[in-house]
Amino acid sequence: EPEVTQTPSHQVTQMGQEVILRCVPISNHLYFYWYRQILGQKVEFLVSFYNNEISEKSEIFDDQFSVERPDGSNFTLKIRSTKLEDSAMYFCASSEQGTNQPQHFGDGTRLSIL
Amino acid sequence: AQSVTQPDIHITVSEGASLELRCNYSYGATPYLFWYVQSPGQGLQLLLKYFSGDTLVQGIKGFEAEFKRSQSSFNLRKPSVHWSDAAEYFCAVGAGGTALIFGKGTTLSVSS
Repeated sequence: EPEVTQTPSHQVTQMGQEVILRCVPISNHLYFYWYRQILGQKVEFLVSFYNNEISEKSEIFDDQFSVERPDGSNFTLKIRSTKLEDSAMYFCASSEQGTNQPQHFGDGTRLSIL
Repeated sequence: AQSVTQPDIHITVSEGASLELRCNYSYGATPYLFWYVQSPGQGLQLLLKYFSGDTLVQGIKGFEAEFKRSQSSFNLRKPSVHWSDAAEYFCAVGAGGTALIFGKGTTLSVSS
């Protein structure tokens, strides 16, 4: 069964540094997402992406964050000038269509900011 | 605002016993509802979804869920729990856009 893959599985970064999290969505899916889960808290939506544009974003997704589809297979989340509170598990997901669709999640990247 | 409440943070069930995990949602229109499971170190796996039609939906791994509009609930059930079902379970609602709104999750422990 096709799956969403994320790299790396664990990223450790110094506060203030930039980090890029990478994802390969399922090949025939058109919508891509990033979610985060701070330890012990709920999974929170960050952003959705379709046709090379942001489709929807949450209040969490401020100017510190950006997303990009640099080629035909990868989807990235960039966090500039990381803060301690950015430490979380970041999940990438994809879906065939956008609205109210089941989303298929990767195994996540655990981001630790020191 | 849309929200999902999972009232039980942690549930322990004996192996072979039945299971019901509760989920309540807040959304003005017809919701699109999902249950996901997360095993340790893994991502979120879709168990089942409700869009419309029959209010009792079947999912993978022997799970089912019933949508009750009058109670704004979408409870997950399984008639006989296996030790491998121990995981964290998340209820989510699609509230008209592309985002899924998740509950805080219920951790299921299975005792032998």
